[in-house]
Amino acid sequence: AQTVTQSQPEMSVQEAETVTLSCTYDTSENNYYLFWYKQPPSRQMILVIRQEAYKQQNATENRFSVNFQKAAKSFSLKISDSQLGDTAMYFCAFMKPIRDMRFGAGTRLTVKP
Amino acid sequence: GAGVSQSPSNKVTEKGKDVELRCDPISGHTALYWYRQSLGQGLEFLIYFQGNSAPDKSGLPSDRFSAERTGGSVSTLTIQRTQQEDSAVYLCASSLGYRDSNYGYTFGSGTRLTVV
Repeated sequence: AQTVTQSQPEMSVQEAETVTLSCTYDTSENNYYLFWYKQPPSRQMILVIRQEAYKQQNATENRFSVNFQKAAKSFSLKISDSQLGDTAMYFCAFMKPIRDMRFGAGTRLTVKP
Repeated sequence: GAGVSQSPSNKVTEKGKDVELRCDPISGHTALYWYRQSLGQGLEFLIYFQGNSAPDKSGLPSDRFSAERTGGSVSTLTIQRTQQEDSAVYLCASSLGYRDSNYGYTFGSGTRLTVV
């Protein structure tokens, strides 16, 4: 079974600064997908960024980027120039191809003005 | 529809009663997933449907939980004889299909179920 671990239950960052959220996972698969989702108080899960395991290049989406270390089974999310609207729960997720997605316990991020 | 729609948004029920939660996926999405999110916890997989294939029920926590999907579109999650530990947010998600699920799911805003 695949497990996803987010070791930081809560984090905070000053507005405009950079923060990194950690995620590790356990799998024996070679082909899989990794995701970061954001969940604001509205409860709706919003896809932030996606990484394909067979691609060595780290995914980036504007202020969001990942550090994907396949051998270490690590998938951290870096948020640059943090904004107040980034305050939310962030979930790391793992998925084998054509299977359901499995999530970590989440990290609550607070951006302080 | 434009997004995944879930109803009701909030539901309070008495212990022992049955509840039905509804999910209306994005039009044309053939894959549909249910997750449960207990307070302060991550998402726990419950069940998923893909087209007309038999659903994967491996995540359902007990036989009090069941789900169906009519006509390959709307899905209903039913919890019988509710218990206080069933209190949680129930999230539904959909994706275009098996292969497109690799691009991620689109989630609804969930139903917050409170059992008193």
